[in-house]
Amino acid sequence: SYEVTQPPSLSVSPGQTASITCSGDKLGDKYVGWYQQKPGQAPLLVIYQDSKRPSGIPERFSGSNSGNTATLTISGTQAMDEADYYCQAWDTSTVVFGGGTKLTVL
Amino acid sequence: EVQLVESGGGLVQPGGSLRLSCAASGFTFSDYWMNWVRQAPGKGLVWVSRINSDGSSTNYADSVKGRFTISRDNAKNTVWLQMNSLRAEDTSVYYCARGSTYFHYWGQGTLVTVSS
Repeated sequence: SYEVTQPPSLSVSPGQTASITCSGDKLGDKYVGWYQQKPGQAPLLVIYQDSKRPSGIPERFSGSNSGNTATLTISGTQAMDEADYYCQAWDTSTVVFGGGTKLTVL
Repeated sequence: EVQLVESGGGLVQPGGSLRLSCAASGFTFSDYWMNWVRQAPGKGLVWVSRINSDGSSTNYADSVKGRFTISRDNAKNTVWLQMNSLRAEDTSVYYCARGSTYFHYWGQGTLVTVSS
């Protein structure tokens, strides 16, 4: 079955750029979504179809996908962006989530 | 306002059954695919199942195939997940989520604990 892999953790200083990667075989041939999840809350879609932002998501969130790697980029990271982030892709009628990346802003 | 409200979670013994419900409001329910996604305590998201808008097509994760059944009633704006032969590893918060390819809306989840 298809798998996507994320680094378990990433630390960034406030105001810096955070880049969270998601890797999978020929992932660039698929569309990728990204979800933010804060403790005790349901996930929130922040990027879909590789690079599109849902209404209400700040412009500092952006996405790209090419080759075997998709990337979620948070520019000018803020303390409120501290959360778990999950990538998501589709493979033959099933959904695959990455294991999640815990983003720490310190 | 789109709302998804899950219910039906609880404590069940291994081998037991449970039926989860997700009541939808604030949108035309019959226009959308619906999904169940679960999250074990302290772990990541795992997609479980999805059903198309009219209920004629369903998909399942390998880990639940043959044990879980997703269904819906568009007149009641409700989607269900019937869970049979439950195992300890099914212990999770179960979320209902709207969408065919991406999940723009999620419920707050219902906790299922499988333990003797």
